[in-house]
Amino acid sequence: EAQVTQNPRYLITVTGKKLTVTCSQNMNHEYMSWYRQDPGLGLRQIYYSMNVEVTDKGDVPEGYKVSRKEKRNFPLILESPSPNQTSLYFCASSSQGPRSNQPQHFGDGTRLSIL
Amino acid sequence: AQSVTQLGSHVSVSEGALVLLRCNYSSSVPPYLFWYVQYPNQGLQLLLKYTSAATLVKGINGFEAEFKKSETSFHLTKPSAHMSDAAEYFCAVTQTGGYQKVTFGIGTKLQVIP
Repeated sequence: EAQVTQNPRYLITVTGKKLTVTCSQNMNHEYMSWYRQDPGLGLRQIYYSMNVEVTDKGDVPEGYKVSRKEKRNFPLILESPSPNQTSLYFCASSSQGPRSNQPQHFGDGTRLSIL
Repeated sequence: AQSVTQLGSHVSVSEGALVLLRCNYSSSVPPYLFWYVQYPNQGLQLLLKYTSAATLVKGINGFEAEFKKSETSFHLTKPSAHMSDAAEYFCAVTQTGGYQKVTFGIGTKLQVIP
């Protein structure tokens, strides 16, 4: 089954404790992206990747890192999480970049609470 | 940069009534436009997407959207609401130029009243 898998689904942690949210897709997609969803703000793009070793900032990249060492994986790293990063996070992928008009496939989300 | 505006963060309709969810984009250059739906505790799913082939786009679950360049709009409609349509709906636009970004609207929560 074609899917985007995120782990963990839920995480409660404390300020400053490094964490990684994993994202994996099994569709051989080139484009992957991370979003955060906050009430009243919709989805905002954090980082995206056009292919292996090619990443770029979205609209809200501060406090986040990503890497794309393999095509299927695109982890999101919070090196020193802060409470304002408490949010619902989504990973998404598509066969090509958005300008190809290809839709994105989304994971089920990761709810992060940072105390 | 392209932006999208979704008018009405909450919309309530009666079961069987017309659903109209509004989306306006910011540029006169026709972008790539999408509508996604998010059911509770799930990720987003594609409802439909605009391609230049047709201004009226049909999607899943009986939804459709009409691209109107003169109004820079891409409103989502469904003739008759069903209880299962209760969800949050997002309009999204692809940035033009050298960017590969996607910008989402703030979302509209649709409530269907029995």
